[in-house]
Amino acid sequence: AQSVTQLDSQVPVFEEAPVELRCNYSSSVSVYLFWYVQYPNQGLQLLLKYLSGSTLVKGINGFEAEFNKSQTSFHLRKPSVHISDTAEYFCAVSDLPGGSYIPTFGRGTSLIVHP
Amino acid sequence: GAGVSQSPRYKVTKRGQDVTLRCDPISSHATLYWYQQALGQGPEFLTYFNYEAQPDKSGLPSDRFSAERPEGSISTLTIQRTEQRDSAMYRCASSRGQQETQYFGPGTRLLVL
Repeated sequence: AQSVTQLDSQVPVFEEAPVELRCNYSSSVSVYLFWYVQYPNQGLQLLLKYLSGSTLVKGINGFEAEFNKSQTSFHLRKPSVHISDTAEYFCAVSDLPGGSYIPTFGRGTSLIVHP
Repeated sequence: GAGVSQSPRYKVTKRGQDVTLRCDPISSHATLYWYQQALGQGPEFLTYFNYEAQPDKSGLPSDRFSAERPEGSISTLTIQRTEQRDSAMYRCASSRGQQETQYFGPGTRLLVL
């Protein structure tokens, strides 16, 4: 069975500072990994995904994430955040062939950007 | 349509009543998912459809929950004899295929009093 741990429930940061949102997963097989963002009163929107290939994945809005197989991590980073990045961020994992492709989500990390 | 839509956006009901939630996926999308999201948690899988077929119902918490997609487009999620623990955000997502990116709707927030 797969699972996702988002270690921080809330991350406060000042505008223009860098940020890292942590995600660790467990799975017995190879996986796909995702980060979704949820703005207030909106649906989840895909930020980026790792399927295969380069372990550094670039997404929308200047975010990137690095897949680290040995540490089973997929941390999300942005070098300089904006007020508009304030939102809930969800990491998700999905088993590869042989699995169901149904994603398992973490509990979410609330990013709060202060002016 | 341009995106995934869900209705109603908010639903307040009394314990014991039945409720039906609706999802209108992106028109070209074959696969449709339902998730339940409790406060402070991530979405949890309930069930999904490939067109009108429903290959996996393993996430439905009890037999009070059922979902349909009779013509392979719009889907409904019905909760019979609602209980307070059913209060949550119910999210629908659609994708072109099972391995493709999921696009989420805004959700229906259900409150059972």
